[in-house]
Amino acid sequence: KAGVTQTPRYLIKTRGQQVTLSCSPISGHRSVSWYQQTPGQGLQFLFEYFSETQRNKGNFPGRFSGRQFSNSRSEMNVSTLELGDSALYLCASSYTGDGANVLTFGAGSRLTVL
Amino acid sequence: AQSVSQHNHHVILSEAASLELGCNYSYGGTVNLFWYVQYPGQHLQLLLKYFSGDPLVKGIKGFEAEFIKSKFSFNLRKPSVQWSDTAEYFCAVNAQTDKLIFGTGTRLQVFP
Repeated sequence: KAGVTQTPRYLIKTRGQQVTLSCSPISGHRSVSWYQQTPGQGLQFLFEYFSETQRNKGNFPGRFSGRQFSNSRSEMNVSTLELGDSALYLCASSYTGDGANVLTFGAGSRLTVL
Repeated sequence: AQSVSQHNHHVILSEAASLELGCNYSYGGTVNLFWYVQYPGQHLQLLLKYFSGDPLVKGIKGFEAEFIKSKFSFNLRKPSVQWSDTAEYFCAVNAQTDKLIFGTGTRLQVFP
């Protein structure tokens, strides 16, 4: 079956712009989580959506937002980009998002902010 | 708040050497524990997991990890590493219905 698909894979933006990243989960998975990966910081949790509702949220400023659609696809948006937002943004899906569910990750969207 | 510590940031080994990567977490309740691996240019993928039962769990490619509740640890081990084990390894923990928290990762380089 198809894995978690993230688009775009690479993008370059300038400071002050905004960006939208997309994630299509594995068919049947209803939970989608987003992480920011940077060297030295590891993976930092952004938010998790289940059935179109944000269920968990990490410690990121309000410039980071997300949503989930009825088909479980999810998008995340970063407004007013800063240089420090340069990172690999990973999406992961699971059936229900409960602790015992294993997350399946996508390849990520690599964002470079100039 | 939950946190995960991986004390080894960068490990360099020769092939056939034994490996142990440390992972400690801070959370007093029941937790699920994971090790994920990210090979160069590849997706993050599950190496092994612990939910309950036998505290010694075996994963793919000869890896195993031991959950020691009294030490809040979940160290990853492999008796004999191969060049193909070169990757970044992440320990992760969550409570029953909470988000999955990752450590900062350990970069392993194995030289032939």
